Amino acid sequence: SQTIHQWPATLVQPVGSPLSLECTVEGTSNPNLYWYRQAAGRGLQLLFYSVGIGQISSEVPQNLSASRPQDRQFILSSKKLLLSDSGFYLCAWSVLGHEQYFGPGTRLTVT
Amino acid sequence: DQQVKQNSPSLSVQEGRISILNCDYTNSMFDYFLWYKKYPAEGPTFLISISSIKDKNEDGRFTVFLNKSAKHLSLHIVPSQPGDSAVYFCAASDTGRRALTFGSGTRLQVQP
Repeated sequence: SQTIHQWPATLVQPVGSPLSLECTVEGTSNPNLYWYRQAAGRGLQLLFYSVGIGQISSEVPQNLSASRPQDRQFILSSKKLLLSDSGFYLCAWSVLGHEQYFGPGTRLTVT
Repeated sequence: DQQVKQNSPSLSVQEGRISILNCDYTNSMFDYFLWYKKYPAEGPTFLISISSIKDKNEDGRFTVFLNKSAKHLSLHIVPSQPGDSAVYFCAASDTGRRALTFGSGTRLQVQP
């Protein structure tokens, strides 16, 4: 069966510091991968998606970037965090269908 | 521009009664619709979906209805149980894009 891992689960970082969040998927090959953010009291906003290694589509221009160095690994990064980057970050995967399956999420607080 | 809207931020129902969660969309290119359930500090869990070629899909206590002419869908939960208390997100996609557009969510509370 497929599983998706995200780490860390929680993170507190100062403004201006770098960020690296990692997501890995097991039990499937060549998945589509997604990064979403949920700000406090808001819905899920799509940040990036990837249909293959090295292929990244950005949905919202902002202070973040994504990379896919391996088939089942998706990384979300920032060189300098802003206060507005605080939120709940979710990684998701899909294969043939429209359904996406989400990881447990990372709670990021920028102070 | 919110392409998927959930206009009710919260809903409270009694255990055993029906819960009806609503969702409206504006993009006529959407051809697939999904409902997710989310507990605090967890990732959303897929519940049920419907293709635009159907107007109803049922899975146990959960039924999703789609009215394409009104660009409206709803999720019915019958009977509601206290464990159903969570935030429910409506999402939509179009075949070409494959990414999901989410609504802002409705918090359902089922009272024992």
